[in-house]
Amino acid sequence: NAGVTQTPKFQVLKTGQSMTLQCAQDMNHEYMSWYRQDPGMGLRLIHYSVGAGITDQGEVPNGYNVSRSTTEDFPLRLLSAAPSQTSVYFCASTEWEGSAEAFFGQGTRLTVV
Amino acid sequence: DQQVKQNSPSLSVQEGRISILNCDYTNSMFDYFLWYKKYPAEGPTFLISISSIKDKNEDGRFTVFLNKSAKHLSLHIVPSQPGDSAVYFCAASAKSSGDKLTFGTGTRLAVRP
Repeated sequence: NAGVTQTPKFQVLKTGQSMTLQCAQDMNHEYMSWYRQDPGMGLRLIHYSVGAGITDQGEVPNGYNVSRSTTEDFPLRLLSAAPSQTSVYFCASTEWEGSAEAFFGQGTRLTVV
Repeated sequence: DQQVKQNSPSLSVQEGRISILNCDYTNSMFDYFLWYKKYPAEGPTFLISISSIKDKNEDGRFTVFLNKSAKHLSLHIVPSQPGDSAVYFCAASAKSSGDKLTFGTGTRLAVRP
């Protein structure tokens, strides 16, 4: 019972580099989302998807892209990393958009130097 | 504009006593409230929730109280155990905004043996 799997767990990037944070879920959930957690800020929604082929922006989308080609996968792309993107990133899935009880991955700790 | 606020960043409680974690919100459209628990290096896990049509929900040692007129909710843990030591996030959602979760900044609970 893997649930939500995120890779990598840790990453260090140089300013301007790009990378993709991977997220996969095996629960056949339609709704997936990406959050970032910063000290004193709680978890903030970056992007979300209500199903394969459908994505939308959350509260802090700038500098990030997402796509949803399959139900299982929801990768988050950093186009040109900036120090302000240093954060812990969490992927989450829920059975449907109206179900607020989300399952979270273990997180990716990203440092941009 | 922080719509969900947890004004106490930390709380320390003796084992066996009651832990009370508080959360305030400003958006009157919120109609569903949740508490998540987070251990270090792990993703948040769902703990308990309450709909706005109720004022109390109980699950074992955990009880959530909702005071809609005061826009306040609280999580009671009785009795507190050392394994309850974690960061607790309050979250809220509204059907009018697609049930997307808005999180508070978290309260770190330490239960002393």
